[in-house]
Amino acid sequence: SQTIHQWPATLVQPVGSPLSLECTVEGTSNPNLYWYRQAAGRGLQLLFYSVGIGQISSEVPQNLSASRPQDRQFILSSKKLLLSDSGFYLCAWSFTSGSVAGELFFGEGSRLTVL
Amino acid sequence: GENVEQHPSTLSVQEGDSAVIKCTYSDSASNYFPWYKQELGKGPQLIIDIRSNVGEKKDQRIAVTLNKTAKHFSLHITETQPEDSAVYFCAVPGGGRRALTFGSGTRLQVQP
Repeated sequence: SQTIHQWPATLVQPVGSPLSLECTVEGTSNPNLYWYRQAAGRGLQLLFYSVGIGQISSEVPQNLSASRPQDRQFILSSKKLLLSDSGFYLCAWSFTSGSVAGELFFGEGSRLTVL
Repeated sequence: GENVEQHPSTLSVQEGDSAVIKCTYSDSASNYFPWYKQELGKGPQLIIDIRSNVGEKKDQRIAVTLNKTAKHFSLHITETQPEDSAVYFCAVPGGGRRALTFGSGTRLQVQP
């Protein structure tokens, strides 16, 4: 069976510090990978998605970046955090299905507080 | 990009009553309509989905209906129970159709 691991679960960082959130998927090959952000009491905002190693699509221009160094590893980074970067970050994966969206399987999330 | 609007933002019902949440979308080419449930502090989980070739799908106490002409779809929960209390999200294909664009969420509270 497939599993998704996301860490760290919680993070408190000062403004201007760097960020690295990591996500790995097990039990499947060549998954589509996603990063979403959820602000307090708000919906899910798509940040990045990837359909293959080194292939990253950005949905929202901001000071965050994503990388996919291995098939089942997805990393969300920032060089300098802003207060507005606080939120609940969710990694997700889906089966490769060409150009058709399908079920997303979410990780447990990483709660980031920027002070 | 795809726009999806979800209503209501909060919903409180008595245990045993029904709950209905509605979403409207803008892209008439959308063909996949899932609903997700998010419990506190966790990631969302798919509870039911429907493709555009059918108008309704049921799974025990939950159902989704789709009106492609009006571009809206709804989640129906019957005989609600306290464990149904959560935040529910609708979604439609966005992000080049390989990702999902989510609605703003509905916080459902089932009063025992």
